[in-house]
Amino acid sequence: GQNIDQPTEMTATEGAIVQINCTYQTSGFNGLFWYQQHAGEAPTFLSYNVLDGLEEKGRFSSFLSRSKGYSYLLLKELQMKDSASYLCAVRGKGKLIFGQGTELSVKP
Amino acid sequence: DAGITQSPRHKVTETGTPVTLRCHQTENHRYMYWYRQDPGHGLRLIHYSYGVKDTDKGEVSDGYSVSRSKTEDFLLTLESATSSQTSVYFCAISDKTSYNEQFFGPGTRLTVL
Repeated sequence: GQNIDQPTEMTATEGAIVQINCTYQTSGFNGLFWYQQHAGEAPTFLSYNVLDGLEEKGRFSSFLSRSKGYSYLLLKELQMKDSASYLCAVRGKGKLIFGQGTELSVKP
Repeated sequence: DAGITQSPRHKVTETGTPVTLRCHQTENHRYMYWYRQDPGHGLRLIHYSYGVKDTDKGEVSDGYSVSRSKTEDFLLTLESATSSQTSVYFCAISDKTSYNEQFFGPGTRLTVL
């Protein structure tokens, strides 16, 4: 079956760097997504990885290791507005499964 | 932002009543999805559509039905609402391939008393 694990909560300081990990088990892996969701709002797309390595997009980067079933989302120069839930989602054989999300709190 | 709306945005209903939620898109995307989001469970797929009149079940489809008679509209129906269906419901759309980058609607908060 498919299984995704992410930490439930994380806290970081404004201006710092934070890494949110996601481990997964799936059959027929075909890509991993990261979404951001502010409280009371819809999820919005952040990144997509299908090959091993790092994808950088401004302050956000996402890394994938298919052999280890592991990904992380790296957020640099944290801002208060980055306080949100970060959802890891894995596309497998005809399915897309979301993790429960990591609630990130950015403190001044 | 992708043009995707949901109606109603909030609804309170009683157990046993039928409820229909509407998702409307102006992007002409082929794929449409209905999810529910509950604390401790994350987003779970209820049903999805890969074209007009083409739909399939997701992981939590029991108690729900869908219809798609036009590209732009995807309806989710709870035939007889139960308290366990109290949730936030999100519609999403994607193009090119199934489960590609998805754009989500604003959500519908449904309470079943």
